[in-house]
Parts: sequence; C-alpha cells; structure tokens
Amino acid sequence: DAGVTQSPTHLIKTRGQQVTLRCSPKSGHDTVSWYQQALGQGPQFIFQYYEEEERQRGNFPDRFSGHQFPNYSSELNVNALLLGDSALYLCASSWAGASGLEQYFGPGTRLTVT
Amino acid sequence: SQQGEEDPQALSIQEGENATMNCSYKTSINNLQWYRQNSGRGLVHLILIRSNEREKHSGRLRVTLDTSKKSSSLLITASRAADTASYFCATGFKAAGNKLTFGGGTRVLVKP
Repeated sequence: DAGVTQSPTHLIKTRGQQVTLRCSPKSGHDTVSWYQQALGQGPQFIFQYYEEEERQRGNFPDRFSGHQFPNYSSELNVNALLLGDSALYLCASSWAGASGLEQYFGPGTRLTVT
Repeated sequence: SQQGEEDPQALSIQEGENATMNCSYKTSINNLQWYRQNSGRGLVHLILIRSNEREKHSGRLRVTLDTSKKSSSLLITASRAADTASYFCATGFKAAGNKLTFGGGTRVLVKP
C-alpha cells in the first residue's frame, strides 16, 4: 500500500516564476491538505481539498491555489514566487469519514526561490 | 499563526533516558496528534488522542491530554539514538475539516 507521494522532491525557481507541486494521497483517502514549513518552524496550513473543492483555507495569499482531481490527487500552484516562498511543502491525506482524524504526510517538496 | 507551543524547544539526553516534551494550545479541539520529523523530511504520525481521552500509549510513547489546561505531553521512554528528531504537536477540530495547527516543535538529540 503506497503512502502519500509528492513530486518533485526538490525544485529551484527564480523570483516571479510559477510552480506546480503534485501529491497523490494514500490509498483509500479522499481529502488532501497542503502545508508550508519554513526552516526551523512548524508546518502552516495552506488549504484543504475534498470532493475537488477547496474546503478550508489558511492565511495565505491568492498566489497560492490548488486543485483536486477525480482520483483524489492534488496540485499546489504558486504564482509570482517570492524569496519568502522558499520552504518545504508538505501534502497530507486523510479520510473524510467520521473516524478519519489522522493525517498522513508525504516526504515533501523542497522549494528554493532565488 | 501557530496555536501550539512546544516546551522545551530543544532537548539533549543520553540513550536510555526518558524524554518529555509539552505542548500547549489556545482554542477548542477534538483531537491532538503528535508527529516526528527527521532532518527536514516528511512528518511521521506517532499518536492521536481525542479530547475525551486523558492518556494513550503506543509502544515506548505515552501521551497525556489535559483539556482544562489546554496542554498535552509526550513521553518517550528508554530513548534510542534513532529517536533523534523534531517532534511536533498538532491540534485539530473535525468540524473544520480537521485542518491541523502545529506548534514550533521540540528538537530532541539522543546521544549514544
């Protein structure tokens, strides 16, 4: 049973560019959440997708957008990259059922903006 | 913003000793989860405790939750060098999609 997978592993972009990160949830999971983790800090919630719609959003600007596909996989898009967007981006999947409280994280995508 | 605050921020112990770290939070929750992270990699889920539970065990891990004090603790017994990692608590509220709010983490170094 594959866990949560993310691609790419590492990415280097230039300020002002756009980036797309991808996530495949754990088998049986239907909800995908994205988090940003700056160096030395805890993860911060960006948004959550369920049934192909954004269900919850954290305190992030509109430059951050996402999508969920019918197979539950998800993409995170960041436009007009800033130096401060350099971080580890983590995807987590879970099940929306009543007992689905645990979130399982992927290995992350390390984004460096120069 | 981060809801949880872990204490201490860093902890250095000898192999075989116990490690205790604490987490405080601010708003209502219905579950609290602890995660481990090695060297900036993905988070590994350790244990979940629901708001109606006071204590939970998993192997060498013991978690307590005091909702009246809005605090939780994680105890790792008989620590090993492989336990060296950062540990994060995260609070969730199911009605809000259970988005997790993390603290800043405790960095644990277990010396052989």
